[in-house]
Amino acid sequence: QSVLTQPASVSGSPGQSITISCTGSISDIGYYKYVSWYQQHPGKAPKLMIFDVSDRPSGVPHRFSGSKSGNTASLTISGLQAEDEAEYFCSSYSSVALVVFGGGTKVTVL
Amino acid sequence: QLQLQESGPGLVKPSETLSLTCTVSGDSISSSAYSWGWVRQPPGKGREWVASISYSGSTFYNPSLRSRVTISVDTSKNQFSLELSSVTAADTAIYYCVRPNILSVVHSWFDPWGQGTLVTVSS
Repeated sequence: QSVLTQPASVSGSPGQSITISCTGSISDIGYYKYVSWYQQHPGKAPKLMIFDVSDRPSGVPHRFSGSKSGNTASLTISGLQAEDEAEYFCSSYSSVALVVFGGGTKVTVL
Repeated sequence: QLQLQESGPGLVKPSETLSLTCTVSGDSISSSAYSWGWVRQPPGKGREWVASISYSGSTFYNPSLRSRVTISVDTSKNQFSLELSSVTAADTAIYYCVRPNILSVVHSWFDPWGQGTLVTVSS
């Protein structure tokens, strides 16, 4: 079992907004601002989408945003597009294990 | 643009040592203040951080693997490597090489990632 908990799947229609949650503890998400999110299409390398909770790397569309409240971080995709169909997983710095990951969430565009 | 590519045997026997190499292209591994690392994903499970080495040579290991894992850098070949000893079926996974952003001991994000290579532990 992964240390960070994510829903197995989330779906939405094109143009809609979806939010993926990532729940940890006070040892990781709850205390530190070092949450990152990744997108992975089948057979491809994971791609960094959000770092430090809410910052976007250059080139990542503005429809991707991140936030945190308590022990839970969230990734929101606004204006969902067909190309957003992929797996998304979260990661956080942890005072216990240095790095922890979520189990991943499959996003389906209906 | 920095790119990473894993290489190594796809099949390792139980109790033996798993050895993987990551070739860095797009920049010199020694000319930049980069750190390097490995993440793995067992079939049907989530990702697990394995090890990292900072630009200063400090090494960081997953506490659950610390006694069996070694990470190193070969600047002459622009590569870094992972060795995992005494492997069992539980070490079967896709292994990704990554560039972590490390601030002191804090690993804040990983970018880029390699494509990943599947290593199966079986006799």
